[in-house]
Amino acid sequence: AQSVTQLGSHVSVSEGALVLLRCNYSSSVPPYLFWYVQYPNQGLQLLLKYTTGATLVKGINGFEAEFKKSETSFHLTKPSAHMSDAAEYFCAVSENSGGYQKVTFGIGTKLQVIP
Amino acid sequence: SQTIHQWPATLVQPVGSPLSLECTVEGTSNPNLYWYRQAAGRGLQLLFYSVGIGQISSEVPQNLSASRPQDRQFILSSKKLLLSDSGFYLCAWRGGAANEKLFFGSGTQLSVL
Repeated sequence: AQSVTQLGSHVSVSEGALVLLRCNYSSSVPPYLFWYVQYPNQGLQLLLKYTTGATLVKGINGFEAEFKKSETSFHLTKPSAHMSDAAEYFCAVSENSGGYQKVTFGIGTKLQVIP
Repeated sequence: SQTIHQWPATLVQPVGSPLSLECTVEGTSNPNLYWYRQAAGRGLQLLFYSVGIGQISSEVPQNLSASRPQDRQFILSSKKLLLSDSGFYLCAWRGGAANEKLFFGSGTQLSVL
């Protein structure tokens, strides 16, 4: 069964500082991995995804994530935080095995950006 | 282009009352459909998913049920709401491949009092 662990339900960074949000996964088959962002009282929107190929994935708003199979990790980073990055971020893993279409999310990490 | 509609945006219901949340998708056919519940500190919990009309899979035993009467319509229901049913409910869809992203509705904030 697949699962996702996000370390740190709340992360605070200063504006201009590095953002690092951690995600580890487990999956019985090669995974597809996603990061979504949620602004207050809204649905989620995709930041970036890893399917196959290059392990460093670039997304919207300057975010990127690196798939490390040996560490079963897919951490999200951004070199310089902006106030508008304050939101909740969700890591997700997707499997398609025998018609099973499950998408599993982590518990989310709320990012606070301090001016 | 594809769009997803979810309503109502907010709902306040007494304990023991019924529930019906509706989600419809436009601009695509045979989508995979999902209902998630988001509670504070618990992330997104998958409640139901559907790969086709009348095909519903439940992830957790609970007080809720789902139905898919049409290809692009997904309904979340309850006969008698519990206090613990309060939360933010999100409908989502995606195509048939596991590497496709989910498209989310704007959510329904349900308060059971």
